[in-house]
Amino acid sequence: KNEVEQSPQNLTAQEGEFITINCSYSVGISALHWLQQHPGGGIVSLFMLSSGKKKHGRLIATINIQEKHSSLHITASHPRDSAVYICAVTSTGTASKLTFGTGTRLQVTL
Amino acid sequence: DTGVSQDPRHKITKRGQNVTFRCDPISEHNRLYWYRQTLGQGPEFLTYFQNEAQLEKSRLLSDRFSAERPKGSFSTLEIQRTEQGDSAMYLCASSLTSATQYFGPGTRLTVL
Repeated sequence: KNEVEQSPQNLTAQEGEFITINCSYSVGISALHWLQQHPGGGIVSLFMLSSGKKKHGRLIATINIQEKHSSLHITASHPRDSAVYICAVTSTGTASKLTFGTGTRLQVTL
Repeated sequence: DTGVSQDPRHKITKRGQNVTFRCDPISEHNRLYWYRQTLGQGPEFLTYFQNEAQLEKSRLLSDRFSAERPKGSFSTLEIQRTEQGDSAMYLCASSLTSATQYFGPGTRLTVL
């Protein structure tokens, strides 16, 4: 079993829909990260959080430390949101190396 | 551009050849990470440096792989006697201690 599990693996939505991507982890963490990867490989960090909730534009990330679960929400989705969204954790005592989930491929259509 | 840069962006090589990749981190970042990503998978940690010291290496990093960061600035990752299983995207990231990691565009390696 992977230390970081994401669901769903693939997601298709219509423009304007509210999207949720889930991440569960099985290890103690010092931080959880949400990243976005576009075709061609470039990875951009969206959020780093260790508790509660963070919001940036139409993106919201939440984490429940007790349940070892995080969600990434996209409000009013747009075709330019189409990408792979990756959850990653920094395990406690690992000096910030990241352990990644396999990603969720999101396609937003008109 | 002051982001993380990697060179080359693409490398095609024959099995058995040696290859070397370079990563230039954001200038004030003291930590530098190497990850590997195969098709359809999330990246996997290979190794990381704090300044010039290599502090951790993954079990994935066989003795054919070596990484250096000689002056605490740029880093190189060398793969000797490449195998087809080494084909992947090699990603470099840098950060200031335990802060957000900034990723480079990656080097895509194809071993024929």
